[in-house]
Amino acid sequence: GQQLNQSPQSMFIQEGEDVSMNCTSSSIFNTWLWYKQDPGEGPVLLIALYKAGELTSNGRLTAQFGITRKDSFLNISASIPSDVGIYFCAGQQDNNNDMRFGAGTRLTVKP
Amino acid sequence: DTAVSQTPKYLVTQMGNDKSIKCEQNLGHDTMYWYKQDSKKFLKIMFSYNNKELIINETVPNRFSPKSPDKAHLNLHINSLELGDSAVYFCASSQETWAQYFGPGTRLLVL
Repeated sequence: GQQLNQSPQSMFIQEGEDVSMNCTSSSIFNTWLWYKQDPGEGPVLLIALYKAGELTSNGRLTAQFGITRKDSFLNISASIPSDVGIYFCAGQQDNNNDMRFGAGTRLTVKP
Repeated sequence: DTAVSQTPKYLVTQMGNDKSIKCEQNLGHDTMYWYKQDSKKFLKIMFSYNNKELIINETVPNRFSPKSPDKAHLNLHINSLELGDSAVYFCASSQETWAQYFGPGTRLLVL
Protein backbone atom coordinates (compact mmCIF):
# COMPACT_ATOMS: atom_id res chain seq x y z
CA GLY A 1 0.00 0.00 0.00
CA GLN A 2 0.95 3.66 -0.34
CA GLN A 3 3.47 4.64 2.31
CA LEU A 4 3.43 7.88 4.22
CA ASN A 5 6.86 9.32 4.99
CA GLN A 6 6.79 10.84 8.44
CA SER A 7 9.64 12.86 9.92
CA PRO A 8 11.43 13.24 12.14
CA GLN A 9 11.50 9.74 13.52
CA SER A 10 12.18 11.03 17.03
CA MET A 11 12.62 14.32 18.83
CA PHE A 12 14.14 15.25 22.19
CA ILE A 13 13.18 18.76 23.26
CA GLN A 14 13.12 20.96 26.32
CA GLU A 15 9.83 21.86 27.98
CA GLY A 16 8.50 25.10 26.52
CA GLU A 17 9.96 24.58 23.05
CA ASP A 18 7.85 24.37 19.92
CA VAL A 19 7.70 21.16 17.89
CA SER A 20 7.10 20.55 14.22
CA MET A 21 6.64 17.25 12.41
CA ASN A 22 5.43 16.42 8.94
CA CYS A 23 4.18 13.74 6.63
CA THR A 24 4.63 13.47 2.88
CA SER A 25 3.46 11.14 0.17
CA SER A 26 3.96 10.75 -3.55
CA SER A 27 0.19 10.24 -3.92
CA ILE A 28 -2.76 12.49 -3.26
CA PHE A 29 -4.82 12.00 -0.11
CA ASN A 30 -8.31 13.33 0.51
CA THR A 31 -8.07 13.27 4.28
CA TRP A 32 -5.16 13.80 6.64
CA LEU A 33 -5.34 12.96 10.32
CA TRP A 34 -2.99 13.26 13.27
CA TYR A 35 -3.07 10.86 16.20
CA LYS A 36 -1.15 10.61 19.47
CA GLN A 37 -0.40 7.31 21.19
CA ASP A 38 0.58 7.15 24.86
CA PRO A 39 2.39 4.05 26.16
CA GLY A 40 -0.01 1.16 26.63
CA GLU A 41 -2.90 3.00 24.99
CA GLY A 42 -4.54 3.22 21.59
CA PRO A 43 -4.02 6.13 19.18
CA VAL A 44 -6.14 9.15 20.05
CA LEU A 45 -7.34 11.49 17.33
CA LEU A 46 -5.87 15.00 17.66
CA ILE A 47 -6.86 16.77 14.45
CA ALA A 48 -8.67 15.75 11.27
CA LEU A 49 -8.22 17.69 8.01
CA TYR A 50 -10.63 17.23 5.12
CA LYS A 51 -9.83 20.06 2.73
CA ALA A 52 -6.65 21.01 0.87
CA GLY A 53 -5.08 24.11 2.43
CA GLU A 54 -7.08 23.70 5.64
CA LEU A 55 -5.35 24.94 8.79
CA THR A 56 -6.87 23.68 12.03
CA SER A 57 -5.96 24.26 15.67
CA ASN A 58 -6.73 22.24 18.77
CA GLY A 59 -5.33 24.07 21.81
CA ARG A 60 -1.55 24.21 21.42
CA LEU A 61 -1.71 21.97 18.36
CA THR A 62 -1.96 23.24 14.80
CA ALA A 63 -2.11 21.09 11.68
CA GLN A 64 -2.32 21.90 8.00
CA PHE A 65 -3.47 19.94 4.97
CA GLY A 66 -0.97 20.73 2.21
CA ILE A 67 -2.29 22.50 -0.85
CA THR A 68 -0.95 19.75 -3.11
CA ARG A 69 -2.79 17.17 -0.96
CA LYS A 70 0.45 15.24 -0.67
CA ASP A 71 1.59 16.47 2.71
CA SER A 72 0.59 17.66 6.16
CA PHE A 73 2.34 19.10 9.17
CA LEU A 74 1.63 19.21 12.88
CA ASN A 75 3.00 21.90 15.19
CA ILE A 76 2.93 21.82 18.98
CA SER A 77 3.61 25.10 20.71
CA ALA A 78 5.08 25.54 24.21
CA SER A 79 5.54 21.81 24.81
CA ILE A 80 4.84 20.31 28.23
CA PRO A 81 5.87 16.95 29.72
CA SER A 82 2.50 15.33 28.96
CA ASP A 83 3.09 15.89 25.24
CA VAL A 84 5.43 12.89 25.40
CA GLY A 85 4.28 10.06 23.16
CA ILE A 86 4.22 8.84 19.58
CA TYR A 87 2.52 11.04 17.01
CA PHE A 88 1.16 9.40 13.87
CA CYS A 89 -0.01 10.96 10.67
CA ALA A 90 -2.61 9.09 8.65
CA GLY A 91 -4.10 9.62 5.24
CA GLN A 92 -7.10 8.37 3.30
CA GLN A 93 -7.39 8.21 -0.47
CA ASP A 94 -10.35 8.22 -2.81
CA ASN A 95 -12.96 8.51 -0.07
CA ASN A 96 -12.58 4.90 0.94
CA ASN A 97 -11.90 3.49 4.38
CA ASP A 98 -8.35 2.44 3.64
CA MET A 99 -6.28 4.61 5.97
CA ARG A 100 -2.49 4.54 5.80
CA PHE A 101 -0.25 5.49 8.69
CA GLY A 102 3.16 7.07 8.92
CA ALA A 103 5.82 5.34 11.01
CA GLY A 104 5.37 7.79 13.87
CA THR A 105 7.38 10.56 15.54
CA ARG A 106 8.52 9.73 19.05
CA LEU A 107 8.52 12.88 21.16
CA THR A 108 10.42 13.23 24.42
CA VAL A 109 10.04 16.41 26.47
CA LYS A 110 12.59 17.14 29.19
CA PRO A 111 11.26 19.15 32.14
CA ASP B 1 -18.15 6.29 28.74
CA THR B 2 -15.88 4.09 26.68
CA ALA B 3 -16.34 4.76 22.97
CA VAL B 4 -14.41 1.78 21.55
CA SER B 5 -13.65 -1.07 23.93
CA GLN B 6 -11.70 -4.29 23.48
CA THR B 7 -11.31 -7.44 25.51
CA PRO B 8 -9.05 -8.83 26.69
CA LYS B 9 -6.39 -6.18 27.21
CA TYR B 10 -3.68 -8.84 27.53
CA LEU B 11 -3.65 -12.31 25.98
CA VAL B 12 -0.84 -14.81 26.50
CA THR B 13 -1.23 -18.15 24.79
CA GLN B 14 0.64 -21.10 23.35
CA MET B 15 1.52 -21.56 19.71
CA GLY B 16 -1.14 -23.49 17.84
CA ASN B 17 -4.05 -22.33 19.99
CA ASP B 18 -7.17 -20.60 18.68
CA LYS B 19 -8.18 -17.31 20.31
CA SER B 20 -10.67 -14.48 19.88
CA ILE B 21 -10.51 -10.76 20.62
CA LYS B 22 -13.73 -8.80 21.05
CA CYS B 23 -14.48 -5.22 20.11
CA GLU B 24 -17.50 -3.05 20.77
CA GLN B 25 -18.24 0.58 19.88
CA ASN B 26 -21.03 2.74 21.26
CA LEU B 27 -20.52 5.65 18.85
CA GLY B 28 -23.17 4.54 16.39
CA HIS B 29 -20.53 4.24 13.67
CA ASP B 30 -21.19 2.11 10.61
CA THR B 31 -17.66 0.91 9.94
CA MET B 32 -15.27 -1.00 12.19
CA TYR B 33 -11.64 -2.02 11.68
CA TRP B 34 -8.86 -4.20 12.98
CA TYR B 35 -5.24 -3.03 12.96
CA LYS B 36 -2.01 -4.76 13.90
CA GLN B 37 0.82 -2.77 15.51
CA ASP B 38 4.21 -4.45 15.42
CA SER B 39 7.13 -4.06 17.80
CA LYS B 40 8.33 -1.02 15.86
CA LYS B 41 4.93 0.62 16.43
CA PHE B 42 4.00 0.48 12.75
CA LEU B 43 0.20 0.35 12.32
CA LYS B 44 -1.21 -1.76 9.52
CA ILE B 45 -4.86 -2.22 8.68
CA MET B 46 -6.08 -5.81 8.60
CA PHE B 47 -9.83 -5.64 8.00
CA SER B 48 -12.77 -3.31 7.93
CA TYR B 49 -16.50 -4.06 8.06
CA ASN B 50 -19.29 -1.82 6.83
CA ASN B 51 -22.87 -2.98 7.39
CA LYS B 52 -21.63 -6.51 7.91
CA GLU B 53 -19.72 -6.50 4.65
CA LEU B 54 -15.97 -6.94 4.49
CA ILE B 55 -14.68 -4.08 2.39
CA ILE B 56 -10.95 -4.20 2.99
CA ASN B 57 -8.92 -7.34 3.41
CA GLU B 58 -5.20 -6.76 3.25
CA THR B 59 -2.73 -9.60 2.72
CA VAL B 60 -3.58 -11.17 6.05
CA PRO B 61 -3.30 -14.94 6.56
CA ASN B 62 -6.64 -16.71 6.43
CA ARG B 63 -6.01 -17.89 9.99
CA PHE B 64 -7.40 -14.46 10.89
CA SER B 65 -11.13 -14.03 10.44
CA PRO B 66 -13.25 -11.06 11.46
CA LYS B 67 -16.81 -11.69 12.58
CA SER B 68 -19.43 -8.98 13.06
CA PRO B 69 -22.61 -10.09 14.85
CA ASP B 70 -24.03 -6.57 14.57
CA LYS B 71 -23.03 -3.02 13.66
CA ALA B 72 -21.60 -2.33 17.13
CA HIS B 73 -19.31 -5.37 17.33
CA LEU B 74 -16.40 -6.70 15.33
CA ASN B 75 -14.57 -9.69 16.76
CA LEU B 76 -11.27 -11.11 15.55
CA HIS B 77 -10.73 -14.86 15.53
CA ILE B 78 -7.25 -16.24 15.12
CA ASN B 79 -6.65 -19.93 14.45
CA SER B 80 -3.41 -21.86 14.90
CA LEU B 81 -1.54 -18.99 16.50
CA GLU B 82 2.08 -18.50 15.47
CA LEU B 83 4.96 -16.74 17.19
CA GLY B 84 4.85 -13.96 14.60
CA ASP B 85 1.28 -13.13 15.55
CA SER B 86 2.57 -11.52 18.75
CA ALA B 87 1.67 -7.85 18.49
CA VAL B 88 -0.83 -5.29 19.70
CA TYR B 89 -4.18 -5.47 17.92
CA PHE B 90 -6.35 -2.37 17.78
CA CYS B 91 -10.00 -2.11 16.95
CA ALA B 92 -11.30 1.16 15.49
CA SER B 93 -14.55 2.58 14.18
CA SER B 94 -15.69 5.43 11.96
CA GLN B 95 -18.80 6.87 10.41
CA GLU B 96 -18.40 6.24 6.70
CA THR B 97 -15.03 7.64 5.62
CA TRP B 98 -14.65 10.10 8.46
CA ALA B 99 -11.97 9.93 11.15
CA GLN B 100 -11.37 6.61 12.88
CA TYR B 101 -11.47 6.21 16.65
CA PHE B 102 -9.34 3.53 18.26
CA GLY B 103 -9.80 1.15 21.17
CA PRO B 104 -7.17 0.65 23.89
CA GLY B 105 -5.58 -2.37 22.20
CA THR B 106 -5.10 -6.07 22.97
CA ARG B 107 -1.54 -7.15 23.65
CA LEU B 108 -1.13 -10.66 22.28
CA LEU B 109 1.90 -12.74 23.20
CA VAL B 110 2.31 -16.16 21.61
CA LEU B 111 4.75 -18.47 23.38
